[in-house]
Formats: sequence, structure tokens, C-alpha cells
Amino acid sequence: KQEVTQIPAALSVPEGENLVLNCSFTDSAIYNLQWFRQDPGKGLTSLLLIQSSQREQTSGRLNASLDKSSGRSTLYIAASQPGDSATYLCAVPYNNNDMRFGAGTRLTVKP
Amino acid sequence: NAGVTQTPKFQVLKTGQSMTLQCAQDMNHNSMYWYRQDPGMGLRLIYYSASEGTTDKGEVPNGYNVSRLNKREFSLRLESAAPSQTSVYFCASTRGTDTQYFGPGTRLTVL
Repeated sequence: KQEVTQIPAALSVPEGENLVLNCSFTDSAIYNLQWFRQDPGKGLTSLLLIQSSQREQTSGRLNASLDKSSGRSTLYIAASQPGDSATYLCAVPYNNNDMRFGAGTRLTVKP
Repeated sequence: NAGVTQTPKFQVLKTGQSMTLQCAQDMNHNSMYWYRQDPGMGLRLIYYSASEGTTDKGEVPNGYNVSRLNKREFSLRLESAAPSQTSVYFCASTRGTDTQYFGPGTRLTVL
């Protein structure tokens, strides 16, 4: 069974700091991994999708890495801003059409 | 494009009442999904539909039924609501193994 864990559950940093969010999964037979952002009371917005053949993906100040063999992914946020405050979730496919999500990391960036 | 839309946004039910949550997407996606999100547990898949006319159970299908009315619409029905079904429900769609797009959610409270 695929289980996804995100550490830490919550993180508070001052504006401008670089930070790393962690995601681990138990079954390394995945074909991609996604990172999502969720604002309070809203749905999920996809940030990055990494295919299993890739080691990292970048979008602006965001960089996601994937190490399938160790069952880990990290989301790096450079020069954090208050607007980055949100919950960040990672998700991996399971049994073709199922998706397994982590519980998320709640990020607060203080001005 | 409106993306993925869900109705209603909020609903309060009494135990034993029934209701249908509606979801529609205008991106011509084949696959559609229903998730529930509970505090500290991330998202869990209830049902999915890989294509029009097909539906399959996800991780937590008990107490729910779904209908893939056409390519655009995928509804979730609670026949006899229970307090344990108090949650936030999200609909999502995707084209194959691509990024999932989420609706804004329905907040359901069962008293």
C-alpha cells in the first residue's frame, strides 16, 4: 500500500528565507509525483509535476526534486514571500487511477 | 474556460438525508475524480471515472454512489448521510496521467 508522509506538518519562516518541504512515499514504483498548493478554503492548484524519468522540475522560485530509489521528493522555495503562505501537498499515483496525498505542510511566511 | 466547477459550495444535512454533489469540467478531460479532505488526513479518493460510462471505487467508497453522466459531468450521491461524512469534497479532472485540476470544493456538514 502506498503511504505518503510530509514533514514538517507546519513551518513558519521570516520573509526572504529559502526553505525546503519534504515528501516521502513507501512504494517507489511511481510514474510521476505532483506538488500542489492549497489556500485556506480553496481547492488545490498544481505547482509542479515530475515524471519518474526526471530528477527535478523548476517553476520560477520553486524547484522540486525526485529520488525514486529512496522514496523522497523535496520542494525548494527560494526567497520566500508572504504570498507563499499556504498548505503544500505532494501526491503520487497508486493503482493506475488512484492518487495518494500527503497530509500537507502548512507554511506561514512572516513579513 | 471555467475549469472544474462544483455545486453547492456549502451544505448542511441532517443524519439520514440524501443529496447529490455536482461536478462539471470544460477541459475535455477523460478522467474525473471525487475526493474528501479531512483535517490531518490529506485527500482520500472516493470514486473515479477513467472515461464516460465507467466508474471505479477508490480508497473510501462506502456510503457513496457516483454517476458519470457524460464526459463533462460527474456527480457524487450520499443516499443516507452520516456525521462521519462531514468533510470537504473536491472534484478533479485530468487527461490521462497529466496534472489534476481541482474544483473549489463543497463543505458538507452532517448533523
